[in-house]
Amino acid sequence: QKEVEQNSGPLSVPEGAIASLNCTYSDRGSQSFFWYRQYSGKSPELIMSIYSNGDKEDGRFTAQLNKASQYVSLLIRDSQPSDSATYLCAVNTGFQKLVFGTGTRLLVSP
Amino acid sequence: DAGVIQSPRHEVTEMGQEVTLRCKPISGHDYLFWYRQTMMRGLELLIYFNNNVPIDDSGMPEDRFSAKMPNASFSTLKIQPSEPRDSAVYFCASSFYASGANVLTFGAGSRLTVL
Repeated sequence: QKEVEQNSGPLSVPEGAIASLNCTYSDRGSQSFFWYRQYSGKSPELIMSIYSNGDKEDGRFTAQLNKASQYVSLLIRDSQPSDSATYLCAVNTGFQKLVFGTGTRLLVSP
Repeated sequence: DAGVIQSPRHEVTEMGQEVTLRCKPISGHDYLFWYRQTMMRGLELLIYFNNNVPIDDSGMPEDRFSAKMPNASFSTLKIQPSEPRDSAVYFCASSFYASGANVLTFGAGSRLTVL
């Protein structure tokens, strides 16, 4: 079992819709979780971090964490074509070691 | 700050040649990470350093790979000899420990093609 799992997609949504991206992880001891966005040919950039159970909102982005289910999600409201990218889930598995999932490709159509 | 600087941006070499990738982290950052990204395997952690000391190199694929961090402002990842399966984008990232969590800033990456 991979440490961090994501559906590779692509996830296609129309402009203005809500995009829901999901991630599961295997290490129950993990304490911090991150979502990175990566445009084609570019490097990953951090968009959200979450450390405790529940929801965390930042603008159009909401991260959700359920440690009991070992599940992290990212919601993007009012999706825009500029949101089209690969979204990487990352989990700190201890000692500052950050493990990434393979990413979900999101396509937002105008 | 100029961010994390990697060189070269692109490298094309032949199988068996030595490849050296370079990274300058953000000043003041105490962690440095080397990742490799391929379509099949995604972003894999190869090795990371804390205050110039290697902490975990369990992701280094084999003895052909080595990494050093001689000082706080410079790190290298070396592949000798290189093989076609090493073709990938290699990212360097740095961070500083803040609020109990690591927030990574990535360099632009070095795209390696081994023929």
